[in-house]
Amino acid sequence: GAGVSQTPSNKVTEKGKYVELRCDPISGHTALYWYRQSLGQGPEFLIYFQGTGAADDSGLPNDRFFAVRPEGSVSTLKIQRTERGDSAVYLCASQEGHHTDTQYFGPGTRLTVL
Amino acid sequence: QKEVEQNSGPLSVPEGAIASLNCTYSDRVSQSFFWYRQYSGKSPELIMSIYSNGDKEDGRFTAQLNKASQYVSLLIRDSQPSDSATYLCAVNFSGGSYIPTFGRGTSLIVHP
Repeated sequence: GAGVSQTPSNKVTEKGKYVELRCDPISGHTALYWYRQSLGQGPEFLIYFQGTGAADDSGLPNDRFFAVRPEGSVSTLKIQRTERGDSAVYLCASQEGHHTDTQYFGPGTRLTVL
Repeated sequence: QKEVEQNSGPLSVPEGAIASLNCTYSDRVSQSFFWYRQYSGKSPELIMSIYSNGDKEDGRFTAQLNKASQYVSLLIRDSQPSDSATYLCAVNFSGGSYIPTFGRGTSLIVHP
């Protein structure tokens, strides 16, 4: 079946603008994770959803970052007042449910803030 | 601060050799350990998970876990040029909501 999809694949924006990044998880997967990966680094956790609720948002760097998953499927990561330091690849991963289940990553959205 | 440490490399091995990738972590009571492969410009792909001390083999890959030494490794036998990628170690530290903490990854180059 279909894997995790993310849109857009690339996003270029100007400093101070608002952006939304979308993640479509594998159908039926209850857990959804957002990560940020900078060049030469491993993925850095941002937020984790179990169903519709954010089970852990301790990785969000500040209040400019927010994510929703209103129907327990698609999730949107929202970044307000973007800064150049927000430039990175934003990865989404979905997981069937249990923490030992495999996480399946999407292709990522490359965000560039000019 | 819970950390996962990996040598960034690159680790260069000839085709057919055994590649040994190492990872150390800071929390003695961690429960779940993962190795991901990430090709350049692509997203991570899980290749091995291990939860108990000892070895776990899957094809050409063997994961080794030593909780006393807080050390997990990945061996790749009969390395192929197609194995050239960055290998990420991830640990689910105990006491939290099972969020994996990733190392920075080790770049592996398998040359013909």
